[in-house]
Order: sequence, then C-alpha cells, then structure tokens
Amino acid sequence: EDQVTQSPEALRLQEGESSSLNCSYTVSGLRGLFWYRQDPGKGPEFLFTLYSAGEEKEKERLKATLTKKESFLHITAPKPEDSATYLCAVEGRYSTLTFGKGTMLLVSP
Amino acid sequence: DAGVTQSPTHLIKTRGQQVTLRCSPISGHKSVSWYQQVLGQGPQFIFQYYEKEERGRGNFPDRFSARQFPNYSSELNVNALLLGDSALYLCASSLGQHTGELFFGEGSRLTVL
Repeated sequence: EDQVTQSPEALRLQEGESSSLNCSYTVSGLRGLFWYRQDPGKGPEFLFTLYSAGEEKEKERLKATLTKKESFLHITAPKPEDSATYLCAVEGRYSTLTFGKGTMLLVSP
Repeated sequence: DAGVTQSPTHLIKTRGQQVTLRCSPISGHKSVSWYQQVLGQGPQFIFQYYEKEERGRGNFPDRFSARQFPNYSSELNVNALLLGDSALYLCASSLGQHTGELFFGEGSRLTVL
C-alpha cells in the first residue's frame, strides 16, 4: 500500500523567513511525485511533478527536490500570499494518486 | 478557458438518502477522477474513468458508484448516506490516464445530517 507522510502538520513563518516542508513516501513502482497547493474552500492546484531522485523543479519562491525516500518543498523568502495547505502525492504502479494530509503554512506580515 | 466545473457546490442530505454529484472536465481531457476530502485530511481516491471506462477504484464501499458519459462528463453517486460521508468531493480531470498532473474543480461540499 502506498503511503505519504507530511511534516510538519502546520508551520507558521514570518514574511521573509525561509523554511522547508517534508514529504516521506513508500510506493510500489514510483511513476511520479507531485506537489499541490490548496487554498481554503478550493480544490488543489498543481505545482510540480518530480520523476526521479536528484530532480529539482522551481517556481517563483518554491523549489521541490526528490530523493529515493522523500521530497522537500523549499520556500524562500515567503510572502503572506504563500499561505495555504501544501499537499504531496505519489503515483504508483496502479496509476492512482495517494495524498498526504498536507502541511498548513501561515506566513505572517 | 473553462476549468473543471462541479455541481452542486453545497448540499445537505439526511442519513439514508442518495446523492448525485456532477463534473465537467476541461475541454479535451478524457480522464476524470473523483476524490473525497474529509476536513483536515488529504484527498482520498475514489474512482478514475478514462475514455468512459472505469480504470481504477479506491477503497470505498459499493454504495459509491460513478460513470462517465460520451462527452467525458461524469457523475458520482452515493447511496444510503452515512454521517461519515460528509466531506468535500473533488473532481479532477487530466489529458491521459497516467498522469498525476490533475486539474481539480472547487468541489461539492456534502453535509449529511
């Protein structure tokens, strides 16, 4: 059974204070690891896909990295508009996504 | 361009009733997936349909069923509602069957009393 564990559950940062979110996973036949952002009352919004260990993707203040057992979402100099829940998901051999519970990020001005 | 649209956005039902949720995918997308998201949890996979055929089913009871129409829209049906079925039901579409780059709708918020 595919499993995804995200930590911390919640994170409060000051504007400009960089940090990282962790996603640990176990999966049978990794097809891809995905990061999504979810705002309250909305559906998740796709951010990144990572396929193999060592791969990195960047978008504005966000950078996602992947190892064989975990992925990190690095947030550099965050702004209040980065406040959201960040979800990690893996696609295994059965081509369905397994999501973690998410990390709720709050960035204060 | 229109994104994934879901209806209704909110609904309230009582235990034992039945509910039908509807989803229209992004134009050109042939795959539709349904997820259940309970408050404080990540989305949990229910069904995937690709080219009108069921391609995956999550660990949900037979009270849950779905179908995809020739125009690639989809319906999710839940019978004999339980209090625990209260959740945000998310529909997502994608171009192909094997992709985790999903485009989600804003969901249907179901409350069971």
